[in-house]
Amino acid sequence: QKEVEQDPGPLSVPEGAIVSLNCTYSNSAFQYFMWYRQYSRKGPELLMYTYSSGNKEDGRFTAQVDKSSKYISLFIRDSQPSDSATYLCAMSRRYSSASKIIFGSGTRLSIRP
Amino acid sequence: KAGVTQTPRYLIKTRGQQVTLSCSPISGHRSVSWYQQTPGQGLQFLFEYFSETQRNKGNFPGRFSGRQFSNSRSEMNVSTLELGDSALYLCASSLDGSPNQPQHFGDGTRLSIL
Repeated sequence: QKEVEQDPGPLSVPEGAIVSLNCTYSNSAFQYFMWYRQYSRKGPELLMYTYSSGNKEDGRFTAQVDKSSKYISLFIRDSQPSDSATYLCAMSRRYSSASKIIFGSGTRLSIRP
Repeated sequence: KAGVTQTPRYLIKTRGQQVTLSCSPISGHRSVSWYQQTPGQGLQFLFEYFSETQRNKGNFPGRFSGRQFSNSRSEMNVSTLELGDSALYLCASSLDGSPNQPQHFGDGTRLSIL
């Protein structure tokens, strides 16, 4: 079993819809949670970064962490065609280094105009 | 503030050759990590450098090596290239590599082996 599981999609939704992207994990020691967006032929771009549990909002994006269920989510409100990309979740333990960041396999998202 | 810069963006090599990829981190960032990204395996950690020293290494053969210079710029070298080395190679930088400092990625070097 992988430490981080992420549905690869593809996920296709109409413009303006609310999108929910999710990852589950098995290591309860994870404390830092990240979401990256990767456009085709580009590197991952950091979208959201949270520590421990709770919600964090940034514009149309909301990151949610439920440590009791070992489940993290990224919500995109009022989705736009420009949101079409692959979304990667990532997480790490508190006392660790860059080598210990675990990435999900990514979910391909397509927003239909 | 300039982001992470990787050169070249694209490379085509043949089996048995060697290749060197370059990464310039964000100004002030001293930790540089390298990743290999393929459709089947996703993002896999290669190694991390901090203050010119390799701090961590992933599970890759010795053909993969790297170094970091005093200005934090880093290079990655792959010798005796194999078809399976075709991938997007990503460099990421952070202030010091600690988990409370998120990593920022470059756009990668796409390496194709013929």
